Amino acid sequence: TQLLEQSPQFLSIQEGENLTVYCNSSSVFSSLQWYRQEPGEGPVLLVTVVTGGEVKKLKRLTFQFGDARKDSSLHITAAQPGDTGLYLCAGALAGANNLFFGTGTRLTVIP
Amino acid sequence: GAVVSQHPSWVICKSGTSVKIECRSLDFQATTMFWYRQFPKQSLMLMATSNEGSKATYEQGVEKDKFLINHASLTLSTLTVTSAHPEDSSFYICSATLGQGRYGYTFGSGTRLTVV
Repeated sequence: TQLLEQSPQFLSIQEGENLTVYCNSSSVFSSLQWYRQEPGEGPVLLVTVVTGGEVKKLKRLTFQFGDARKDSSLHITAAQPGDTGLYLCAGALAGANNLFFGTGTRLTVIP
Repeated sequence: GAVVSQHPSWVICKSGTSVKIECRSLDFQATTMFWYRQFPKQSLMLMATSNEGSKATYEQGVEKDKFLINHASLTLSTLTVTSAHPEDSSFYICSATLGQGRYGYTFGSGTRLTVV
């Protein structure tokens, strides 16, 4: 059983559509991060959120940390083929260094 | 920005042999390094956490005698897969942090291990 569950697991959409990926847990995290990973490469950090209720925007990507710091969401507006990849949330528990990854969401944006 | 170099990027070895993977922080001193394993189409699973100069802490279900981790300096951690078998074939990724996670985590580019 993984600490962080992501949904959906797979998502295939048309270019221009909007989408939301969810990352849920029963644990409280001191910080939560979102990564994107391309095949054969390490994950690349997109954003870090640390405050409950925090919202961060990165161009067409909007990240939100839940008020209780147990969940997070990633919303992409007007998806583009370049957004295709594996999206991973990852959380650090309070007082710990370890970063635990979510189950992952594989996004495919069709031109 | 912080850079972590992982080497080799891919390796093929015969069953029964051992393989060493290196993870180096190039422009910062990493107090803590992490090793992850990733199966095809799956997420990253934390294998162990290593702090410089001390024994690694392994996650439940990870054999410490199978996956030897050495963190001899603040810039280098190694993972040795001993007596490799085909089921050890996977994508191994290291990560490094200055400490407490709040300084951020930097990931290596991964090592694709294939055991034949």
